[in-house]
Amino acid sequence: DIQLTQSPSSLSASVGDRVTITCRASQSISTYLNWYQHKPGKAPNLLIYGASRLQSAVPSRFSGSGSGTDFTLTISSLQPEDFATYYCQQSYSTPPTFGGGTKVEIK
Amino acid sequence: QVQLQESGPGLVKPSGTLSLTCAVSGGSISSSDWWSWVRQPPGRGLEWIGEIYHSGSTIFNPSLRSRVTLSVDKSKNQFSLKLSSVTAADTAVYYCARKTYYFERSTYFSAQSFDYWGQGTLVTVSS
Repeated sequence: DIQLTQSPSSLSASVGDRVTITCRASQSISTYLNWYQHKPGKAPNLLIYGASRLQSAVPSRFSGSGSGTDFTLTISSLQPEDFATYYCQQSYSTPPTFGGGTKVEIK
Repeated sequence: QVQLQESGPGLVKPSGTLSLTCAVSGGSISSSDWWSWVRQPPGRGLEWIGEIYHSGSTIFNPSLRSRVTLSVDKSKNQFSLKLSSVTAADTAVYYCARKTYYFERSTYFSAQSFDYWGQGTLVTVSS
């Protein structure tokens, strides 16, 4: 199975901050990398697919980049509704696997 | 807007069978998408269980293959999960999700993602 390592595992930030989360794959996965936002008790929400494509209705402050083994999710200006846990997921091979998550908390 | 909703018992006895159903609304289960199950044990990460196509074709996580059964009911627009011989390690929030494919012929861009999810249901394995 392909392992995905996210960093950091948690971070504290203020509204308006620029936030960057990284995801490293144990082998090359081209651009088969997705990002999700997850709030407690809610359905996970797809933010980015194909490493850099913004899912419909997702605010443009979210962006993704990377290919091969190293990927980044950036929130350009953190908003109150963005405090959540973020997961990366690879769809390069079966089984699809997820990173361990990054919890974004209020500073 | 596609919506998914999980249902089933919240408590299952050890060695028993966990059974969940996912009702799909706002879209057809007979579309070109696959229908998946993902779980998250308390305090742990997300684990993909398996997926089913409306034709009945299935793909499983090798780690769970021997204990998982998936089925689809097109007349009710829903799909189901059965996990046998459960232990406390199977205690988790179980999510159903739609897996969709993207392909752009002009750029040869392709991708797959879980674009719609249910809210999840907690299943506890305990006597």
